[in-house]
Amino acid sequence: DGGITQSPKYLFRKEGQNVTLSCEQNLNHDAMYWYRQDPGQGLRLIYYSQIVNDFQKGDIAEGYSVSREKKESFPLTVTSAQKNPTAFYLCASSEGFQYQETQYFGPGTRLLVL
Amino acid sequence: GENVEQHPSTLSVQEGDSAVIKCTYSDSASNYFPWYKQELGKGPQLIIDIRSNVGEKKDQRIAVTLNKTAKHFSLHITETQPEDSAVYFCAASKYRGGDDMRFGAGTRLTVKP
Repeated sequence: DGGITQSPKYLFRKEGQNVTLSCEQNLNHDAMYWYRQDPGQGLRLIYYSQIVNDFQKGDIAEGYSVSREKKESFPLTVTSAQKNPTAFYLCASSEGFQYQETQYFGPGTRLLVL
Repeated sequence: GENVEQHPSTLSVQEGDSAVIKCTYSDSASNYFPWYKQELGKGPQLIIDIRSNVGEKKDQRIAVTLNKTAKHFSLHITETQPEDSAVYFCAASKYRGGDDMRFGAGTRLTVKP
């Protein structure tokens, strides 16, 4: 059963703490993306990766970091530098920059600050 | 960069009626326009998309129209059903990779039985 999985579904962060959100895909897609969703707003791009061991900043990368050590995995770390981390985080993937653009989304992780 | 505006922000219709959601984009070079449906607490699901070389595309009760001259595209849902209730997002991009994809703010559609 192919798809994108994100974990955990809910995550709580304390002041000064770094937290990591998991994203895994078994679609054999080259490109992966992280978006942030706030109420009443569209999705905003945090980071994206075209290929293993390569990633680029999106529109709102400050306070976030990523890694892409494996094709199927693209974890996102929300650092203590991100002052307003409460949001719904969505991971997506697409076949790759040389193929169709369609992005497929995971179920999301809701991050809350204690 | 690209800017996508979506209207209305909320839409309520009676079951069986039609619903129309409109989006405008700013970059005339944009050539790919997907629509996503997002149910509460879930990730967006692609429901239909259109490319700039096509003016209209239909899939059962869902259709999308594109006016490149006016730089706007619309989602049409006919014979609405309660399960169509969700938030709908439009998006636009011009590069095949999609890292430039920009999303509208979303429309919350409620279908009343």
